[in-house]
Amino acid sequence: GQQLNQSPQSMFIQEGEDVSMNCTSSSIFNTWLWYKQDPGEGPVLLIALYKAGELTSNGRLTAQFGTTRKDSFLNISASIPSDVGIYFCAGRARTDSWGKLQFGAGTQVVVTP
Amino acid sequence: DGGITQSPKYLFRKEGQNVTLSCEQNLNHDAMYWYRQDPGQGLRLIYYSQIVNDFQKGDIAEGYSVSREKKESFPLTVTSAQKNPTAFYLCASMESSGNTIYFGEGSWLTVV
Repeated sequence: GQQLNQSPQSMFIQEGEDVSMNCTSSSIFNTWLWYKQDPGEGPVLLIALYKAGELTSNGRLTAQFGTTRKDSFLNISASIPSDVGIYFCAGRARTDSWGKLQFGAGTQVVVTP
Repeated sequence: DGGITQSPKYLFRKEGQNVTLSCEQNLNHDAMYWYRQDPGQGLRLIYYSQIVNDFQKGDIAEGYSVSREKKESFPLTVTSAQKNPTAFYLCASMESSGNTIYFGEGSWLTVV
């Protein structure tokens, strides 16, 4: 199945810095989802986006549904050590059947004190 | 406490054995999924089920089998035909809108 293009693959940042990552697709999407996964655990939903241009925040996290409907962005502000983990995007293309999602490969975030 | 429960967390399989991973949800979701996760790769869909007694193959179904006899349960069997089964397996369910998916804690399977 198709996979989304997610970048960067990894990020090494200092505590207090902001983090940005993005996902792009080759087709128009109806839904973008962002998850965080800690080592050896299941992914936890952070933010869900359903409309083009939508900007949604969850604490220090902010995600946007791109206006072209082919991309999405996740920002983490003022990073702290517990932000360490893998963040990945998921989405449903307009042409996909009900319940079929595509996933990015993930962005590994490492926060140093 | 609502959620998706996977068991066991860690499982070791000998060559030639079939093993079954359990997945139970109490979210009243109709759709359930099994994904496989390998290091550095995105999630790959094994099987999914939209209603009881019905399921469809995903992108990498060979060597796996499932059943959906109850709405709450979607067990995955990794058969001896799966040549490279060592991976992290994730069960998920989807709410009725068909847009948002929730995951269990995952199960590690290792071939010894």
